[in-house]
Amino acid sequence: DSGVTQTPKHLITATGQRVTLRCSPRSGDLSVYWYQQSLDQGLQFLIQYYNGEERAKGNILERFSAQQFPDLHSELNLSSLELGDSALYFCASSPDPGGVNYGYTFGSGTRLTVV
Amino acid sequence: DQQVKQNSPSLSVQEGRISILNCDYTNSMFDYFLWYKKYPAEGPTFLISISSIKDKNEDGRFTVFLNKSAKHLSLHIVPSQPGDSAVYFCAAGDFGNEKLTFGTGTRLTIIP
Repeated sequence: DSGVTQTPKHLITATGQRVTLRCSPRSGDLSVYWYQQSLDQGLQFLIQYYNGEERAKGNILERFSAQQFPDLHSELNLSSLELGDSALYFCASSPDPGGVNYGYTFGSGTRLTVV
Repeated sequence: DQQVKQNSPSLSVQEGRISILNCDYTNSMFDYFLWYKKYPAEGPTFLISISSIKDKNEDGRFTVFLNKSAKHLSLHIVPSQPGDSAVYFCAAGDFGNEKLTFGTGTRLTIIP
């Protein structure tokens, strides 16, 4: 158990629908990062929050949004889902804004299947 | 634009021998590099890192080498063990830009 909790582990939904993925960071970590891993692809950075504020944005589609709450858990909202959104979504956390000294601690991911 | 590249999707190595995983990068702004290991159905786990002021970092059986002029780093595992079978991701970042950029991963299989 890495200490980063992601729910749900698996999600199957239809095209056009909206889903919410949840992440609880490791205790004491203030930064949360969201990554997407599609088939045979590396980990694509989506977005980062630090202590409730958006810190960095990557290749995140406009249909996707995220937030970090006062208790530091984060949610990734995916709407108007398309078949191509099927992927593994990972959340990671780190104590500092950049993960430089400690690296990231990843959760076990949410596997999203859009049918 | 793939700034971090792992050109070998897979690698098989005999148990007890050395495993060498390679990673190339294009962004000269990167100044720290990390390796992550991923087992099926689990998230990646941090393995070892190196900053650009060093050319080598060692942690037990794992050594990372950095060649800044060639924009190349490698992970050496000696001796390789069956539990090392996993997907290895190379990642890079810079102190001014806080996200990590990951490669596509190399699947390492250790043959008993």
